[in-house]
Amino acid sequence: DVKVTQSSRYLVKRTGEKVFLECVQDMDHENMFWYRQDPGLGLRLIYFSYDVKMKEKGDIPEGYSVSREKKERFSLILESASTNQTSMYLCASTKQGRAFFGQGTRLTVV
Amino acid sequence: AQSVSQHNHHVILSEAASLELGCNYSYGGTVNLFWYVQYPGQHLQLLLKYFSGDPLVKGIKGFEAEFIKSKFSFNLRKPSVQWSDTAEYFCAVNGDSSASKIIFGSGTRLSIRP
Repeated sequence: DVKVTQSSRYLVKRTGEKVFLECVQDMDHENMFWYRQDPGLGLRLIYFSYDVKMKEKGDIPEGYSVSREKKERFSLILESASTNQTSMYLCASTKQGRAFFGQGTRLTVV
Repeated sequence: AQSVSQHNHHVILSEAASLELGCNYSYGGTVNLFWYVQYPGQHLQLLLKYFSGDPLVKGIKGFEAEFIKSKFSFNLRKPSVQWSDTAEYFCAVNGDSSASKIIFGSGTRLSIRP
């Protein structure tokens, strides 16, 4: 079974902090994605990566950056956390178009 | 612009009722289409997918979806729902190339009355 692991299930951070969300997949997938999930808005794509050191902006990249130094790991970085970034963050990797999701990180910024 | 529209935000049905959830997409070129389901407290998981061939695809738990290219639609159906189908359902689309992004709809919350 494909496993996508997000480093934290719940996080509470203060406004202005730098926040790292880590995601690791164990199936050698090329593509990895970061989404945020908010009620009524579905999953909105923040960034995705189709190869090591490659990244593409999604629909809502503002306030975020990413890092993909190794194929299995895709990190999402909030440079200076703000309260409007309180959300559920989902990482996914894909094979033949099909997405496999991590369990999600619920981030609260206070 | 690439987008996926799910017109029903919250659907409430009684057990044994028939279900149809709408999904329309806008995405240039050849597409792959998906329905994902998220049961309360669980991961998103794949319900069914369409890549090519027969436009009527069958998924897990008795769900099926029909791809109608002329209408840019991929509606999800189930003839008789059960209480355990209570979940949030997401339609998604991506392109044919290996580096294409996956776009999700806003989701439809399905509540089944026992």
